[in-house]
Amino acid sequence: DAKTTQPPSMDCAEGRAANLPCNHSTISGNEYVYWYRQIHSQGPQYIIHGLKNNETNEMASLIITEDRKSSTLILPHATLRDTAVYYCIVLLSSGRRALTFGSGTRLQVQP
Amino acid sequence: DAGVTQSPTHLIKTRGQQVTLRCSPKSGHDTVSWYQQALGQGPQFIFQYYEEEERQRGNFPDRFSGHQFPNYSSELNVNALLLGDSALYLCASSPPGRTSGGYEQYFGPGTRLTVT
Repeated sequence: DAKTTQPPSMDCAEGRAANLPCNHSTISGNEYVYWYRQIHSQGPQYIIHGLKNNETNEMASLIITEDRKSSTLILPHATLRDTAVYYCIVLLSSGRRALTFGSGTRLQVQP
Repeated sequence: DAGVTQSPTHLIKTRGQQVTLRCSPKSGHDTVSWYQQALGQGPQFIFQYYEEEERQRGNFPDRFSGHQFPNYSSELNVNALLLGDSALYLCASSPPGRTSGGYEQYFGPGTRLTVT
């Protein structure tokens, strides 16, 4: 699975969009980009994943660059409850895969 | 529909003892993975079970073992506990594997193990 690089921390004002970047320059054609988050002392929570097209669900949007070497997770209207560590993970698309968590980005939403 | 459940919530053990942690997967899920999360770090993959067999294993010693039951629930056993085994142990479940199209995992709240 390709290695990912994320900033260690970010701040965002409540109500504003939070844009969390992830670099995955060695991603291969059959690897998906996944995002999970972990609110303090809870289990990680699946957010969204994508292969090459932009994706949107009720939680977030995922923008993947055309060359697939980087992506951005967008929380459109951040709330205090979005304060968490966000993990970007690249994973082969097939089969039952183990997740490899890096250090993630600690997002602090400020009131 | 209950999500992934784990028991117990917290546990305190003495060095050298043995511990068993339990996990019930989300309804419809047949695969259970276990992760260890030390304080301040990301979760680390221990092993994965489906069809009642260990299918993948991370870099953990044989002191860590597991089991999956016919109802897909799972146990994680740790023998000869060390102080360094103190961590949050997370269970994740996932639906039957697909050949393509992505594959998300759903995590339980974890069991906090303290070894003294």
